[in-house]
Amino acid sequence: AQTVTQSQPEMSVQEAETVTLSCTYDTSESDYYLFWYKQPPSRQMILVIRQEAYKQQNATENRFSVNFQKAAKSFSLKISDSQLGDAAMYFCALTNNAGNMLTFGGGTRLMVKP
Amino acid sequence: KAGVTQTPRYLIKTRGQQVTLSCSPISGHRSVSWYQQTPGQGLQFLFEYFSETQRNKGNFPGRFSGRQFSNSRSEMNVSTLELGDSALYLCASRDARGRQNSPLHFGNGTRLTVT
Repeated sequence: AQTVTQSQPEMSVQEAETVTLSCTYDTSESDYYLFWYKQPPSRQMILVIRQEAYKQQNATENRFSVNFQKAAKSFSLKISDSQLGDAAMYFCALTNNAGNMLTFGGGTRLMVKP
Repeated sequence: KAGVTQTPRYLIKTRGQQVTLSCSPISGHRSVSWYQQTPGQGLQFLFEYFSETQRNKGNFPGRFSGRQFSNSRSEMNVSTLELGDSALYLCASRDARGRQNSPLHFGNGTRLTVT
């Protein structure tokens, strides 16, 4: 069975500052993918960034980057230059081998202070 | 391209009734999956359909069922509703022709309240 753990239920950051959200996971699969999704009050889950487990290079998407530590099974999300629009629930997720099922963490609520 | 469309957005039902939720995937996406989101259990996988076949199923009772039509639209049905079925039901589609890293695209969800 796969598990994903987000140990920070809530985080806050000052606008324009940097924040890191933590995620650890467990899987017996050799080939898998990791994702961070954002869920604003509109409820729609939006893909923020994804990481292939076989790639050592950390993924980056504009102000969003990850720190992927495969041996430690850790996948944290760094948000630089935080903006008010970044306020949302953030979910870390892990695919199964077939890629047709996601296991989600419990989420981290990010608040951005002006 | 239109996104994933879920209808209705809100639904109120009584215990014991049944309900059907609908999902239209992004054009060209043949994989549709469903997730239940509750404050207590978080996001849990219900099932996934590809080309009208259920390929994977989560750990939910048989009261939860789904189907997919030839145009890739999907429905999920919950029979004999219980109070604990109150949740946000999210549908997601993906282009399953590619590698497994093809991401899920989610709809806005259907908020089901069982009274």
